Amino acid sequence: GAGVSQSPSNKVTEKGKDVELRCDPISGHTALYWYRQSLGQGLEFLIYFQGNSAPDKSGLPSDRFSAERTGGSVSTLTIQRTQQEDSAVYLCASSLEQGAGYTFGSGTRLTVV
Amino acid sequence: GQQLNQSPQSMFIQEGEDVSMNCTSSSIFNTWLWYKQEPGEGPVLLIALYKAGELTSNGRLTAQFGITRKDSFLNISASIPSDVGIYFCAGQRSGGSNYKLTFGKGTLLTVNP
Repeated sequence: GAGVSQSPSNKVTEKGKDVELRCDPISGHTALYWYRQSLGQGLEFLIYFQGNSAPDKSGLPSDRFSAERTGGSVSTLTIQRTQQEDSAVYLCASSLEQGAGYTFGSGTRLTVV
Repeated sequence: GQQLNQSPQSMFIQEGEDVSMNCTSSSIFNTWLWYKQEPGEGPVLLIALYKAGELTSNGRLTAQFGITRKDSFLNISASIPSDVGIYFCAGQRSGGSNYKLTFGKGTLLTVNP
């Protein structure tokens, strides 16, 4: 598509439930990134994909967080057994190649109640 | 993880005034980036700086890459109401870790018409 598409745009979930956040990158972009933006904070790096591989997943906060990318395109970020501190905006970005010209999606606002 | 020190946290100005914000880091970056984020949207790149000492303009925006490579500033001249948003600085390193951006916490700009 023309831009990076994320869904859902908003998600409210109960503590302890699992959630899946989806990112559709720009067609042809090989690199894909997930960042987290907590209230009043800057963006915090979570994970980087090159193709379907994740060379750096060091930013994932705990083992409740996982992500995958299939077909070199769509990526899914999964948070298991959600906690209130997981509430944040989760932003996805893609670029034509590693490190070059990020384009961000509009994000998924996750609220854990 | 590391974050850049961005100031001020927020600014309330009158339309027509000039604005200045800056970022500092304890470590060197090879590229400095300035982004703007509007409500419900992802960050959009405003200016990219690639060389120490570089001064770059984009319309009413001017940004500089500090000589030490540990700081950068962004100026907005003759502000208008649509300049409202959160402005983020980001640092990027070269080489194998160039996929990861390190962000400041943002400057919230409010422009009173």
